Amino acid sequence: QVQLVQSGAEVKKPGASVKVSCKASGYTFTGYYMHWVRQAPGQGLEWMGRINPNSGGTNYAQKFQGRVTMTRDTSISTAYMELSRLRSDDTAVYYCAWWSSSWVQSFWGQGTLVTVSS
Amino acid sequence: EIVLTQSPGTLSLSPGERATLSCRASQSVSSSYLAWYQQKPGQAPRLLIYGASSRATGIPDRFSGSGSGTDFTLTISRLEPEDFAVYYCQQYGSSPRLTFGGGTKVEIK
Repeated sequence: QVQLVQSGAEVKKPGASVKVSCKASGYTFTGYYMHWVRQAPGQGLEWMGRINPNSGGTNYAQKFQGRVTMTRDTSISTAYMELSRLRSDDTAVYYCAWWSSSWVQSFWGQGTLVTVSS
Repeated sequence: EIVLTQSPGTLSLSPGERATLSCRASQSVSSSYLAWYQQKPGQAPRLLIYGASSRATGIPDRFSGSGSGTDFTLTISRLEPEDFAVYYCQQYGSSPRLTFGGGTKVEIK
């Protein structure tokens, strides 16, 4: 079955960076864009960007341009999202997710809580 | 950027009642590329509806979606106890960018 397993919770200080991983199994990792979506405590969902696991090409939301880097390692079917210059308002649960062709199915990781606090 | 506005923010209803949730887009959503998700505390979102009106795999038929252009609706015909949750709409027509609405919480009255 399809699984996306994310790395564990992180606590970071303001100004630091965090790198979250998302290990995929049960489907062709290189066949579908991997997206990253975050959710601040008690807030809604916010799209951060996506990576084409086949080519490595990325598209980022303008809000995160210059601070986010999405990469992948196809040998281990894992996608990564690194966010730099962290601020307290980056405290959120970060999800990886992908959608099948024609968007008829949606698969999400379990989420990774990143807490930014001094 | 397409902005999605959901209303109401909170819907207080009893089990067995009908729920009607609205999602309005700031500009037309191409090809009805509009989805609805359910999210419960501590869980990832779950896809309910795609293409504005098609139910995802395994979704009960008490959930239905309708609408086109800028106005979309999610209807839950008879609320079951497990339906009390937060619901989000999402547009995926302006690829690559995805946007989500702010959510509607359906709570037990």
